[in-house]
Amino acid sequence: DAGVTQSPTHLIKTRGQHVTLRCSPISGHKSVSWYQQVLGQGPQFIFQYYEKEERGRGNFPDRFSARQFPNYSSELNVNALLLGDSALYLCASSQDSANYGYTFGSGTRLTVV
Amino acid sequence: AQSVTQPDIHITVSEGASLELRCNYSYGATPYLFWYVQSPGQGLQLLLKYFSGDTLVQGIKGFEAEFKRSQSSFNLRKPSVHWSDAAEYFCAVGATNFGNEKLTFGTGTRLTIIP
Repeated sequence: DAGVTQSPTHLIKTRGQHVTLRCSPISGHKSVSWYQQVLGQGPQFIFQYYEKEERGRGNFPDRFSARQFPNYSSELNVNALLLGDSALYLCASSQDSANYGYTFGSGTRLTVV
Repeated sequence: AQSVTQPDIHITVSEGASLELRCNYSYGATPYLFWYVQSPGQGLQLLLKYFSGDTLVQGIKGFEAEFKRSQSSFNLRKPSVHWSDAAEYFCAVGATNFGNEKLTFGTGTRLTIIP
């Protein structure tokens, strides 16, 4: 079975631009969470979606938004990119929202220049 | 608010030696606790997790961890490390109240293995 798939794997954007990151969960998994990992730090929670509804939001500005589609895939959008948004963005999926059975993808490396 | 402290930023261990990585958490009740490993440029792989019951938890790759409520700790151990264990290790805590399933990670411990 395929694991959690994220695309693209690497991305370079300019300050002020917008970016969309994509995540396909493991088949049968209905919950998707997004984490930001800045170099040298642990991942930080951005969003959790379950059955297409937002279940949780971390301490990130409104420039960050996400959505989950009927097939349970998800997009993370970041507007007005800042240099500080450069990070590895990780997606994790689980069967439901309450068992922490997360499987993480390999991430999207975003570089803002 | 939940938080995790990993006091050791970097640890160097000889191949074949034992290993202990420290983790302290802060949470108002008994938390869910996790250890993840991350190889360079990769995502996170779950090593083990503690939800309840036996406080000594066995994981993959020969790792184990012990939950000590009195010390708010969840240290990771391995009796004999292999060169392939070199990676970044993250301890994480999850809330136990329904509707709040985020993981809070520590800053990680980088493990270097020397011959």
